Amino acid sequence: DIQMTQSPSSLSASVGDRVTISCRTTQSISSFLNWYQQKPGRAPRLLIYSASTLQHGVPSRFIGTGHGTDFTLTITSLQPEDFATYYCQQSSGPVWTFGQGTKIDIK
Amino acid sequence: EVQLVESGGGLVQPGGSLRLSCAVSGFTSSSYSMSWVRQPPGKGLEWVANMKQDGIEKNYVDSVKGRFIISRDNAKNSLYLQMNRLRVEDTAVYYCARDGLYGGNPHWGQGTLVTVSS
Repeated sequence: DIQMTQSPSSLSASVGDRVTISCRTTQSISSFLNWYQQKPGRAPRLLIYSASTLQHGVPSRFIGTGHGTDFTLTITSLQPEDFATYYCQQSSGPVWTFGQGTKIDIK
Repeated sequence: EVQLVESGGGLVQPGGSLRLSCAVSGFTSSSYSMSWVRQPPGKGLEWVANMKQDGIEKNYVDSVKGRFIISRDNAKNSLYLQMNRLRVEDTAVYYCARDGLYGGNPHWGQGTLVTVSS
């Protein structure tokens, strides 16, 4: 199965900061990479699919890039509602996997 | 409006069985690939299984292969997860989710908690 390495596991940031989260896979997955946001007690919310396509209704400050084995989620200007945990997910092949998560908290 | 509602969670002893249900509305579950995802308390997400639109192809994470069975009832527009030989490490909130046409899971239920403990 394809393994995911997501980093960092946590970070502290301020409103307005530019934040970057990395996700790396053990083998090429083309663009089959998705990003989620999850808040405590809530189901995950799909932000980006196919590495760079914004899900309907997601603000444009969320940007996904990458192809193959290296992917990045960038939040260009962090807003108060963005403090949450973020996960990458690969959907290549029959078995899907999630990254370990990145928790963003207030500095 | 797309809605997914899980039920069937609860407390079960190690070695026991439980069947989770996911009632779907706003779309026909047999027209989409559907997944189960779980999250142990305080931990990250783990993809568990999915079933393709054809109802034949089913995929499982290694840790549940041979113990869990994903299925659906088209007449009831529902998805199921039969969980057998449960282990303490299966304790988690279980979510059902609709798979996107281009990847990912755009629609999720609210989750149901399964606790495996003696």
